[in-house]
Amino acid sequence: DAGITQSPRHKVTETGTPVTLRCHQTENHRYMYWYRQDPGHGLRLIHYSYGVKDTDKGEVSDGYSVSRSKTEDFLLTLESATSSQTSVYFCAISEASFTTDTQYFGPGTRLTVL
Amino acid sequence: DQQVKQNSPSLSVQEGRISILNCDYTNSMFDYFLWYKKYPAEGPTFLISISSIKDKNEDGRFTVFLNKSAKHLSLHIVPSQPGDSAVYFCAASGNSGGSNYKLTFGKGTLLTVNP
Repeated sequence: DAGITQSPRHKVTETGTPVTLRCHQTENHRYMYWYRQDPGHGLRLIHYSYGVKDTDKGEVSDGYSVSRSKTEDFLLTLESATSSQTSVYFCAISEASFTTDTQYFGPGTRLTVL
Repeated sequence: DQQVKQNSPSLSVQEGRISILNCDYTNSMFDYFLWYKKYPAEGPTFLISISSIKDKNEDGRFTVFLNKSAKHLSLHIVPSQPGDSAVYFCAASGNSGGSNYKLTFGKGTLLTVNP
């Protein structure tokens, strides 16, 4: 299994509070991604990073920001959490080469915004 | 606009029989396709992939078939086992099209294998 951990694994918070989720990898992969999974929507990309301090938006980036100050860590921040951001969040990593686009996923963080 | 479609939300098969999960895509720039399996309360795990230069890739009980002209791929599991019961996601990327190594996922199909 790829060395990916996510913290916290579960979090309950209130509307309007800031929340930061952490993804940590030990594989030294260049690319890291944040997804959310919701019933009826599958996996949707929030933000991704292609190197330290290099990030870009995915398809559902509104209300989220990210930071990557080290190769191994990718942080997802909800500046002011809303109930619509209740979801399961997955981090993924990829070597991203011309021969493979395979991404490997972490165990997920279940976030509930009350 | 959903570029990767899994039109069957669920599929139920008997143990020992074949499971066939289907996936359609609309973006002709997609050139790499993957299947992931997901158990409840766990992250998706990579199962098998196929490049657009191939039409079949096999790994043990799992075979993926790609029909580029129809923009269709399928995952065959033979024989199906109860432990295969999970949600299966189809994903695609268009590396050569400058997708920056992003995957587009379908909504998933819940496979239930009955003993």
